Amino acid sequence: GESVGLHLPTLSVQEGDNSIINCAYSNSASDYFIWYKQESGKGPQFIIDIRSNMDKRQGQRVTVLLNKTVKHLSLQIAATQPGDSAVYFCAETILYSSASKIIFGSGTRLSIRP
Amino acid sequence: SQTIHQWPATLVQPVGSPLSLECTVEGTSNPNLYWYRQAAGRGLQLLFYSVGIGQISSEVPQNLSASRPQDRQFILSSKKLLLSDSGFYLCAWTTPGTSNSPLHFGNGTRLTVT
Repeated sequence: GESVGLHLPTLSVQEGDNSIINCAYSNSASDYFIWYKQESGKGPQFIIDIRSNMDKRQGQRVTVLLNKTVKHLSLQIAATQPGDSAVYFCAETILYSSASKIIFGSGTRLSIRP
Repeated sequence: SQTIHQWPATLVQPVGSPLSLECTVEGTSNPNLYWYRQAAGRGLQLLFYSVGIGQISSEVPQNLSASRPQDRQFILSSKKLLLSDSGFYLCAWTTPGTSNSPLHFGNGTRLTVT
């Protein structure tokens, strides 16, 4: 069945270092991938996305890498800051009829050491 | 710009009582609408999605139902709550007709069934 999973449930990073959060997906039909950030008590916020015809996309301090061969997705956060502390979810999207079906992974909690 | 509203933010209900959570979207027409549930410290589970008024797709059998009486209104209901219905309920929308559109979430409703 469809699934999106994360290799590491928790990640502790020194402030200023780079963070890498990994994700595996299983559905070859997925054509769009998204990373979300969720702070405590709030809804997930969009961070960055990537289409299946790309293997890398950069935003402000964040980079998403997509390896379709091994069905792997990663989120890199440069110069991690205390405000980056949150749970991060990857999600894969499959288009069914006229609706996108978006399946989330279980999440990785990122904590920042001062 | 588009906005999404959910209410109430928190809710405590006794077992066996009814439930009605409401979600409205502004600034867009004919959005795809979604209800997700998130158990404490866990990922997001898709409950329902809708591509139009009166059109509801259910992802998991459960004690809940959804309705879409207006284009930008999505309601999650239950006739009799169970303890297992406790969780964080999130409404979200996407642009219709494409898989390359991220979910935009509301701030959620924290439901505690006692």
